[in-house]
Amino acid sequence: LAKTTQPISMDSYEGQEVNITCSHNNIATNDYITWYQQFPSQGPRFIIQGYKTKVTNEVASLFIPADRKSSTLSLPRVSLSDTAVYYCLVGDVMDTGRRALTFGSGTRLQVQP
Amino acid sequence: KAGVTQTPRYLIKTRGQQVTLSCSPISGHRSVSWYQQTPGQGLQFLFEYFSETQRNKGNFPGRFSGRQFSNSRSEMNVSTLELGDSALYLCASSQNMGTDTQYFGPGTRLTVL
Repeated sequence: LAKTTQPISMDSYEGQEVNITCSHNNIATNDYITWYQQFPSQGPRFIIQGYKTKVTNEVASLFIPADRKSSTLSLPRVSLSDTAVYYCLVGDVMDTGRRALTFGSGTRLQVQP
Repeated sequence: KAGVTQTPRYLIKTRGQQVTLSCSPISGHRSVSWYQQTPGQGLQFLFEYFSETQRNKGNFPGRFSGRQFSNSRSEMNVSTLELGDSALYLCASSQNMGTDTQYFGPGTRLTVL
């Protein structure tokens, strides 16, 4: 299986912009890239999803280059409540040709006052 | 709409026992996926069900099994429990398979003694 890679941790301060990048080789042609946020002892919460170029919603932006082998989640002006683990999700093509859903290793974002 | 619900929320078992976890997806969602989350391995995909059929399977031993009912509710079963099976088991539902946005439940915390 192809592996997705994210930084293990990042630190930021309130009010700053944070960019988290996920590398994903072997992404299937029809796969979307999705980012989730997770707080301790809770299920992951959907943040944003995209296929190519740029997607923006009320909480984040997602940048995807033309080759789609990576993606960057951008959180504008973070606050203390954004302290969480962030995961990227892509569909991974298994050796049998069937698809499995793969989460990245997760990035632990710590926002300081 | 009600979110994804999982029962029970907490479970304590001993080695060698078996356990069944239940997941009720969001109304209208037909795909249910299961994930295991541990501090050491992170989030790992177990399997995905759609229309009562297992469509994708992660790299877990045969002790882990599941099924989906005609109303899209799903159960997963773990037989001959091992200490290493202690984890947060998350269920996620989506309207269809693949890259449709998945919405997660709160999880079932399984502790094996």
